[in-house]
Amino acid sequence: QKEVEQNSGPLSVPEGAIASLNCTYSDRVSQSFFWYRQYSGKSPELIMSIYSNGDKEDGRFTAQLNKASQYVSLLIRDSQPSDSATYLCAVRTGGFKTIFGAGTRLFVKA
Amino acid sequence: EADIYQTPRYLVIGTGKKITLECSQTMGHDKMYWYQQDPGMELHLIHYSYGVNSTEKGDLSSESTVSRIRTEHFPLTLESARPSHTSQYLCASSEYSASQETQYFGPGTRLLVL
Repeated sequence: QKEVEQNSGPLSVPEGAIASLNCTYSDRVSQSFFWYRQYSGKSPELIMSIYSNGDKEDGRFTAQLNKASQYVSLLIRDSQPSDSATYLCAVRTGGFKTIFGAGTRLFVKA
Repeated sequence: EADIYQTPRYLVIGTGKKITLECSQTMGHDKMYWYQQDPGMELHLIHYSYGVNSTEKGDLSSESTVSRIRTEHFPLTLESARPSHTSQYLCASSEYSASQETQYFGPGTRLLVL
């Protein structure tokens, strides 16, 4: 079992829809959770971080964390074609290592 | 937002050459990392450093070496490049904090070994 798991996709949504990206992790004492966006050929760019259970909103992005279920998600509202990218989930584990998932490819169709 | 720089951005080189990929950051971050990423594939940690004179190998076996003589500088060296080293190399840095640490990435170096 990988320490951080994501569905590789591709996830395809129409423009204006809500895109839902999911991530599970294995280390129960993980403390910090991050979502990065990576365009093809570019480096990862941090878009959200979340540390406490519940929701955290930033513009069209909402991160959701459920530590009991070891689950973190990213919702993108009003999806735009420019949101088409690979989204990486990263988890800072109890051992103070940051583990990246393999990423979910998102396509937003115009 | 961290200021982290990598040079060169693109490099084409012949087999057997020695190369050094440069990474520098101006934020005073203690921790720095090197990742290798093939197109469409996941990030693999190859080296990291917690501070000056501290370097460790990552999860992915690599024939490269690193040094950390100054806080802001974390170069990666390949003594003898091979076609299997063709990849994208990403440098990242973060402030050291036990509970809250965010990594910021440089723009990457695309390496092609012929």
